[in-house]
Amino acid sequence: LAKTTQPISMDSYEGQEVNITCSHNNIATNDYITWYQQFPSQGPRFIIQGYKTKVTNEVASLFIPADRKSSTLSLPRVSLSDTAVYYCLVGTLRSNDYKLSFGAGTTVTVRA
Amino acid sequence: DAGITQSPRHKVTETGTPVTLRCHQTENHRYMYWYRQDPGHGLRLIHYSYGVKDTDKGEVSDGYSVSRSKTEDFLLTLESATSSQTSVYFCAISEATGPEQYFGPGTRLTVT
Repeated sequence: LAKTTQPISMDSYEGQEVNITCSHNNIATNDYITWYQQFPSQGPRFIIQGYKTKVTNEVASLFIPADRKSSTLSLPRVSLSDTAVYYCLVGTLRSNDYKLSFGAGTTVTVRA
Repeated sequence: DAGITQSPRHKVTETGTPVTLRCHQTENHRYMYWYRQDPGHGLRLIHYSYGVKDTDKGEVSDGYSVSRSKTEDFLLTLESATSSQTSVYFCAISEATGPEQYFGPGTRLTVT
């Protein structure tokens, strides 16, 4: 499993865009990049997944440069309810052998 | 939300006693996982199952056993609980191997 590095914490204000960058220098050719969100006292929730370029859904956007050694999760116009821990994961889809490896994550605090 | 329940949600037990945590799903997903979450360690995989009676070890399996006799139930047993097993335990499910897993609400276990 490729090692990931992301900031420990980030502060923001309501209505701003939050960008969290994750470094994964040893990403393998078959690896995908996945982001999870975890609220206090809840289990993690899958947000978005991508392989290259840009992926967008109703929650976030994921930007992946051509070399794939990093990725950026973008949360548009955050609200107080976006305060959570965000995890970047990198792994390979392989039959009977997909193990998620969560690091410490990035604690995002949104203030009014 | 995916239909995953965990029981009990909270438990306090004494060192040396056996403990069984239950994960129940109503999604008929093939894959089920048990994680533990501790401060400073993120989530770590304990065991996972890729079908009825098919299980495998994860990153931190020592001191834990699992069983899956039905698609919907995945049991985690601590044969003789120790204080180092005080943690929050999350069950997760997925329809296929891959990064998109759905997590339960968690069980907070305290071993005194």
